[in-house]
Amino acid sequence: DSGVTQTPKHLITATGQRVTLRCSPRSGDLSVYWYQQSLDQGLQFLIQYYNGEERAKGNILERFSAQQFPDLHSELNLSSLELGDSALYFCASSYSQDSPSYEQYFGPGTRLTVT
Amino acid sequence: GENVEQHPSTLSVQEGDSAVIKCTYSDSASNYFPWYKQELGKRPQLIIDIRSNVGEKKDQRIAVTLNKTAKHFSLHITETQPEDSAVYFCAASRGGADGLTFGKGTHLIIQP
Repeated sequence: DSGVTQTPKHLITATGQRVTLRCSPRSGDLSVYWYQQSLDQGLQFLIQYYNGEERAKGNILERFSAQQFPDLHSELNLSSLELGDSALYFCASSYSQDSPSYEQYFGPGTRLTVT
Repeated sequence: GENVEQHPSTLSVQEGDSAVIKCTYSDSASNYFPWYKQELGKRPQLIIDIRSNVGEKKDQRIAVTLNKTAKHFSLHITETQPEDSAVYFCAASRGGADGLTFGKGTHLIIQP
């Protein structure tokens, strides 16, 4: 168990809908990263937040957005869903103030199925 | 942006033999190179990592080597065991203020 939690575990929704995925980082970690894993695209970095602020952006679509709250949990919002958005979405955390580190620890993921 | 190539895509070895997985990266500013192991339906698990100021790092049966000049790094697993069967991913980044760019993965199969 990495200490990173994600909810829900599974999500099934229809095209055109909007969903919110939630992530709680390891205790003390200030950075949260979101990744998408699909068979055709592999593991892709979407976006990073550090202590509430956006720090880096990867291959995130305009239909997707994220935020990190004062308690450091993060939410990834996916809207106008398409069949191709079906994937595993992982959140990872790193960088405790006590021990700054590059190591990223992944949560169990949310499996999104768009029908 | 960064591009990470990983080879081979599938590797089958006899139990007890060694396995080597290789990756190349394109961005000379990358300075952090982790390796993750992912079992079917599970999260990627960090197994070892190396920073650009180090050429080699070992942890029991696992070692990683880095050649900055050639921009490639490799994972070495010795005395392979059935529980080593999984998909292994290499990755690269510029450090804490950056996401990881992953390779496509290597499916390692340990034959009994």
